[in-house]
Amino acid sequence: DAEITQSPRHKITETGRQVTLACHQTWNHNNMFWYRQDLGHGLRLIHYSYGVQDTNKGEVSDGYSVSRSNTEDLPLTLESAASSQTSVYFCASSGPAAGFNEQFFGPGTRLTVL
Amino acid sequence: EDQVTQSPEALRLQEGESSSLNCSYTVSGLRGLFWYRQDPGKGPEFLFTLYSAGEEKEKERLKATLTKKESVLHITAPKPEDSATYLCAVQARDGNKLVFGAGTILRVKS
Repeated sequence: DAEITQSPRHKITETGRQVTLACHQTWNHNNMFWYRQDLGHGLRLIHYSYGVQDTNKGEVSDGYSVSRSNTEDLPLTLESAASSQTSVYFCASSGPAAGFNEQFFGPGTRLTVL
Repeated sequence: EDQVTQSPEALRLQEGESSSLNCSYTVSGLRGLFWYRQDPGKGPEFLFTLYSAGEEKEKERLKATLTKKESVLHITAPKPEDSATYLCAVQARDGNKLVFGAGTILRVKS
């Protein structure tokens, strides 16, 4: 069965370190998204991509970057981790049309920045 | 700015006690309104998409309706396994992102 996976599921890191969270989907979806979820804020969009070599900033993109080299993967990098980036991160995908389809979510990565 | 407000923040029901969850929104031209269910420690699970005022969708004990200003998720005769956080999101015609509400935490006791 097609699925979307995230790794690691839990990560503890220190302030200032670079961290990369992986997202892999086997739906063959064109569109992939990264969100963070915090109490009281719901899900907020960090970055998204509508295809290989395409990336776009969401509403909370500062301090994060993504790159899309193939259809299946959209890794999220925290360039220099900050305590404010402690959160639960979700990857999602949808397809085939750009943007306008229900999104399917991965299981999440809980990141703690000390 | 597109906004989504969900109410109540939390809802406790007895098994079989029907109720409703509300999702109010402001958006610059609605492309779609989405409902998701999220269990603790898991990612959101897609439930429904509504596209235009007057539309209704049903799935088991859940029924979602849409007007020009809000969507209501009705839950009929809930069971303990319906306990979860229910998330509402909107997508505008001139954009591609989903804007989520903070969610309603539903607890159903047997």
